[in-house]
Amino acid sequence: DGGITQSPKYLFRKEGQNVTLSCEQNLNHDAMYWYRQDPGQGLRLIYYSQIVNDFQKGDIAEGYSVSREKKESFPLTVTSAQKNPTAFYLCASSGGGLGETQYFGPGTRLLVL
Amino acid sequence: RKEVEQDPGPFNVPEGATVAFNCTYSNSASQSFFWYRQDCRKEPKLLMSVYSSGNEDGRFTAQLNRASQYISLLIRDSKLSDSATYLCVVFTGGGNKLTFGTGTQLKVEL
Repeated sequence: DGGITQSPKYLFRKEGQNVTLSCEQNLNHDAMYWYRQDPGQGLRLIYYSQIVNDFQKGDIAEGYSVSREKKESFPLTVTSAQKNPTAFYLCASSGGGLGETQYFGPGTRLLVL
Repeated sequence: RKEVEQDPGPFNVPEGATVAFNCTYSNSASQSFFWYRQDCRKEPKLLMSVYSSGNEDGRFTAQLNRASQYISLLIRDSKLSDSATYLCVVFTGGGNKLTFGTGTQLKVEL
């Protein structure tokens, strides 16, 4: 079955720690995205990548980093510089750019200890 | 004014009712519109894209009003399984920006 997988489902971060969230897709999509969802707010774009080895900052990139070494994979690192990391993180992919239908993974909930 | 605004609800309706949600957007140059459904603590899933002529998919009808800058979603014969949060999503090509609304919560009751 084609789809997007994210791991882990829940992740706990200690103060000053970097953590990496995994996102893999087998839809053969060129574009991949990372969003953050907080209660009472719409999804906000962190980073996106439209092609391998290229990515752009979204609206709230500070404190995050990404890489796109393979078409199938787009990991997100939440660095210690992100002071309020507790949120629901969603990865998505699309066949084209931002205006195309996006398909989401099941998400990772990040909690700070 | 927010770029995309939705009434957060909740809309509590009896099974079998017809319910409609509106979503307003601020940028007149916006060009693509979507409705996504999100169940509690799950990922959003595409419900339908919204076309200029309006479109229907079973019990769901989406319409776009460019003059007044809003899109709507009509659900007929509501089912318990329709209970979810409905997200309005707007794409503006000039700024290459996709904006998600905060969602409207629907609760369908017996």
